[in-house]
Amino acid sequence: NAGVTQTPKFQVLKTGQSMTLQCAQDMNHEYMSWYRQDPGMGLRLIHYSVGAGITDQGEVPNGYNVSRSTTEDFPLRLLSAAPSQTSVYFCASSKGDRQYFGPGTRLTVT
Amino acid sequence: GDSVTQMEGPVTLSEEAFLTINCTYTATGYPSLFWYVQYPGEGLQLLLKATKADDKGSNKGFEATYRKETTSFHLEKGSVQVSDSAVYFCALRPLGGSQGNLIFGKGTKLSVKP
Repeated sequence: NAGVTQTPKFQVLKTGQSMTLQCAQDMNHEYMSWYRQDPGMGLRLIHYSVGAGITDQGEVPNGYNVSRSTTEDFPLRLLSAAPSQTSVYFCASSKGDRQYFGPGTRLTVT
Repeated sequence: GDSVTQMEGPVTLSEEAFLTINCTYTATGYPSLFWYVQYPGEGLQLLLKATKADDKGSNKGFEATYRKETTSFHLEKGSVQVSDSAVYFCALRPLGGSQGNLIFGKGTKLSVKP
């Protein structure tokens, strides 16, 4: 099993550009989440999904969209990137009480 | 709302020293509690968990006990190693909350020197 995979590992965007961060898991987990990690802020939940076709907002959803068309994939879309979205983004999937995290995507918005 | 507060870092220790990282929480009822660890350049990994009061989670020499009286879940290790250098996150899943919805503390960076 590859676990949770994320692409790309690094990305630089200009303000106003859009992009999609990819996340996939091969463990057949129903629950998937996106977090952002900022210095001194810990991890904050952006969006999560309890299964294919179902998504909900977390603590900091503004500026991000998600969809869940399959159990395996949970992409995160930045509609119009802003410098405040410079961060490290982690995708996670869950089974029971345990979350499995991907390796992260480091995004810089200039 | 529910929240987690953990001690500010960074924490610097010598090898074989005793480690305590404090974590307290505010929540309705009895949430599930977790410690996650993030090694440099990697995603978070579950270190240990406790799902009810007085439970003790343990793994790799680390321990934490769910104390409802003090709403705490402090992480301890009797003898740290250089390989324990990482960022440690305390987290809770609210009572009745979705599996995909954890609330994290801000993280405590631990550096262990030989």
